[in-house]
Amino acid sequence: GAVVSQHPSWVICKSGTSVKIECRSLDFQATTMFWYRQFPKKSLMLMATSNEGSKATYEQGVEKDKFLINHASLTLSTLTVTSAHPEDSSFYICSASRGDEKLFFGSGTQLSVL
Amino acid sequence: GDSVTQMEGPVTLSEEAFLTINCTYTATGYPSLFWYVQYPGEGLQLLLKATKADDKGSNKGFEATYRKETTSFHLEKGSVQVSDSAVYFCALGRADGLTFGKGTHLIIQP
Repeated sequence: GAVVSQHPSWVICKSGTSVKIECRSLDFQATTMFWYRQFPKKSLMLMATSNEGSKATYEQGVEKDKFLINHASLTLSTLTVTSAHPEDSSFYICSASRGDEKLFFGSGTQLSVL
Repeated sequence: GDSVTQMEGPVTLSEEAFLTINCTYTATGYPSLFWYVQYPGEGLQLLLKATKADDKGSNKGFEATYRKETTSFHLEKGSVQVSDSAVYFCALGRADGLTFGKGTHLIIQP
């Protein structure tokens, strides 16, 4: 079946540093990738939608200069949290679409900013 | 905008009990509806889906019917197992992405 690899699975960083999260579709080409954020005990929130070779579309309220998304190829999208602060601590999940209705999810990244 | 409401739990049941997790939604038009499951330590997995009114999605003994008149997509299983312990997310989908409920933590005791 289709596999999406997300790395790292957890990361701890100091306030002010930047963190990059990778999302790879291993056995299919992802026409669209989505990035979600999950706050503790709350729902998943769509942050942005990215299509290969074009700029990501951000949801209202999501700072595009803070959460940089690059979708450089049909199998790789990255989310960079720039100048991370404790309030950015959260669980981030990516998902990839191969063009049909199914979405395939990564295993998530737990980010803790000290 | 779109929204999904589901019971948060935790929901604790004994093995072989009947399960219902309620999910209602608010949306315009005719979105697709999904149930995703997150087992401990793993990523989200699609459990079942329905793309139009009166469709019934089913998988692994779980069922859910797309009820447009009541804007609901309740998840049911006739006899749960300990291995069904997980967090279940109801979601509404359009071409531009998904809107998730808050997730329901299900605990099945032997």
